[in-house]
Amino acid sequence: EAGVTQFPSHSVIEKGQTVTLRCDPISGHDNLYWYRRVMGKEIKFLLHFVKESKQDESGMPNNRFLAERTGGTYSTLKVQPAELEDSGVYFCASSRTSGTGSPLHFGNGTRLTVT
Amino acid sequence: GQQVMQIPQYQHVQEGEDFTTYCNSSTTLSNIQWYKQRPGGHPVFLIQLVKSGEVKKQKRLTFQFGEAKKNSSLHITATQTTDVGTYFCAGRSGNKLVFGAGTILRVKS
Repeated sequence: EAGVTQFPSHSVIEKGQTVTLRCDPISGHDNLYWYRRVMGKEIKFLLHFVKESKQDESGMPNNRFLAERTGGTYSTLKVQPAELEDSGVYFCASSRTSGTGSPLHFGNGTRLTVT
Repeated sequence: GQQVMQIPQYQHVQEGEDFTTYCNSSTTLSNIQWYKQRPGGHPVFLIQLVKSGEVKKQKRLTFQFGEAKKNSSLHITATQTTDVGTYFCAGRSGNKLVFGAGTILRVKS
């Protein structure tokens, strides 16, 4: 099966600009997660979709971040306006179920640099 | 909120030496998962531990889950250059999977 794909792989933008990241989960995976890793730190949870619904968005840093998953397929994460501290690698992951036994399948991430 | 601490942050070993990374949670976990991220890659699921005191092996890798279900370890016997990467533990409490900061393993041949 095709894995989780993310686009773009890299993005360099200036402070104040807008960036939209896209994630295509594995087909049939209802659960989609966004995580962010700042260099050397933990992979930090941002939010969790079950199909098109936001199950948990407690990790979203602030209202400059907007995630959508219209139709329950691919997801987008928009950062507007971007700040310097938003730099990091944004990972998307999907899983078939959200149960305790379900491993996450990660994409290759989008490396975002805000200058 | 729940925190997962991982030590060491970084380890550089000679090929053939053993390696261990430790994971500690501030809360009791329902399970713990381990992932490996190769340089330039993405985290890949290795294993999940569920039961108190559970020990699982994958070839040269041994995973343990503590009796209190608050800590875990990954031990690699006789490291090889293919073991390089960052090893993450991730503890589940409720529906949320909380990751540690990872341990970077470098192997000198």
